[in-house]
Amino acid sequence: KAGVTQTPRYLIKTRGQQVTLSCSPISGHRSVSWYQQTPGQGLQFLFEYFSETQRNKGNFPGRFSGRQFSNSRSEMNVSTLELGDSALYLCASRAADTQYFGPGTRLTVL
Amino acid sequence: GESVGLHLPTLSVQEGDNSIINCAYSNSASDYFIWYKQESGKGPQFIIDIRSNMDKRQGQRVTVLLNKTVKHLSLQIAATQPGDSAVYFCAETLQGAQKLVFGQGTRLTINP
Repeated sequence: KAGVTQTPRYLIKTRGQQVTLSCSPISGHRSVSWYQQTPGQGLQFLFEYFSETQRNKGNFPGRFSGRQFSNSRSEMNVSTLELGDSALYLCASRAADTQYFGPGTRLTVL
Repeated sequence: GESVGLHLPTLSVQEGDNSIINCAYSNSASDYFIWYKQESGKGPQFIIDIRSNMDKRQGQRVTVLLNKTVKHLSLQIAATQPGDSAVYFCAETLQGAQKLVFGQGTRLTINP
């Protein structure tokens, strides 16, 4: 089976812009979670989707949002980008209790 | 590019030696634990997991030990190889929950 794929792998944006990241889970996995990884805060949970519904949300501002499509692919959006949003954004798809991660999207905000 | 923190705890071992990486977890109610390996420029890779009804679980060259009394996990890697160089994270969760809570990570460096 192909693993979790994320696009794009790298992004450079400026403050105030918005960005959309995409994630395709492992075939057959219906749960997709998003995490933010920074040197200062480590890996932090953003939100999780299952069957197009958000089931859980981490402690992030409303500028961070997501959605899931009927084919389980997911997108996350960050609006009004801030310098502190620079991070590696990781997507994970879940089978039973185990989450499998994609390679991430490296977002740099200038 | 680098994916993880600049000031992580670091463990240096000689190639061929055994490594032990420790993790203190935060929630006494957590009942499922996972170790991940993250190499530079990559996402976390699943290594091994353990449920709270077990104290020990073995995989290929890896063993995870769980001590619920002191909320402590350890990952033992036997006969470490250069390819084991990475940052290792423990993660905890409740079974059926959607959210993983990660530890800060430990950088493992293998000396030739």
